[in-house]
Amino acid sequence: EPEVTQTPSHQVTQMGQEVILRCVPISNHLYFYWYRQILGQKVEFLVSFYNNEISEKSEIFDDQFSVERPDGSNFTLKIRSTKLEDSAMYFCASTLSATRETQYFGPGTRLLVL
Amino acid sequence: AQKITQTQPGMFVQEKEAVTLDCTYDTSDPSYGLFWYKQPSSGEMIFLIYQGSYDQQNATEGRYSLNFQKARKSANLVISASQLGDSAMYFCAMRGPGGATNKLIFGTGTLLAVQP
Repeated sequence: EPEVTQTPSHQVTQMGQEVILRCVPISNHLYFYWYRQILGQKVEFLVSFYNNEISEKSEIFDDQFSVERPDGSNFTLKIRSTKLEDSAMYFCASTLSATRETQYFGPGTRLLVL
Repeated sequence: AQKITQTQPGMFVQEKEAVTLDCTYDTSDPSYGLFWYKQPSSGEMIFLIYQGSYDQQNATEGRYSLNFQKARKSANLVISASQLGDSAMYFCAMRGPGGATNKLIFGTGTLLAVQP
């Protein structure tokens, strides 16, 4: 069964460093998302991406964040200068249709900023 | 604004018994979708069940069923015949109709512990 994959599973970085989180969505899906979950809290929407552009972003998704689909399979989230409060689990999700289909989540990348 | 509320931070259930996890939602949109996801201690988000606002029947997927009461704006998850492997965090989520994105809005979750 097709699944969303994410790499790395864990990342430790120092404050101020850039990190790139990678995702490979399900191959025929068209809509892509990043969510984050701070430890012990609920999952929060960051950004959605469709047709090679951002379609919606939350207030969390400031200028330090960017997303890219560099080729036909990868979908990346870049944090330019990490802060302590960026420590969280980051989930990528994808869906075939925005209105009718389930969003399938990847296993997540646990980011720790020291 | 859309909102999801899960009022049970934690619950215990005996193995083989049924359990209901509560979820209420708030939206002014007539078209929306409701989801339940399971998050085990390993951290991944596993899709369990989906209910569309226009679906006439309550959704069922194996041991999972969704008790959808539209007038009350509730979408409770029922797990029948609980198993030890059901111990996990459970999140209710809503997807609205608006825009091209239909992001999911999550509740705060319910931690379920299944006891032998």
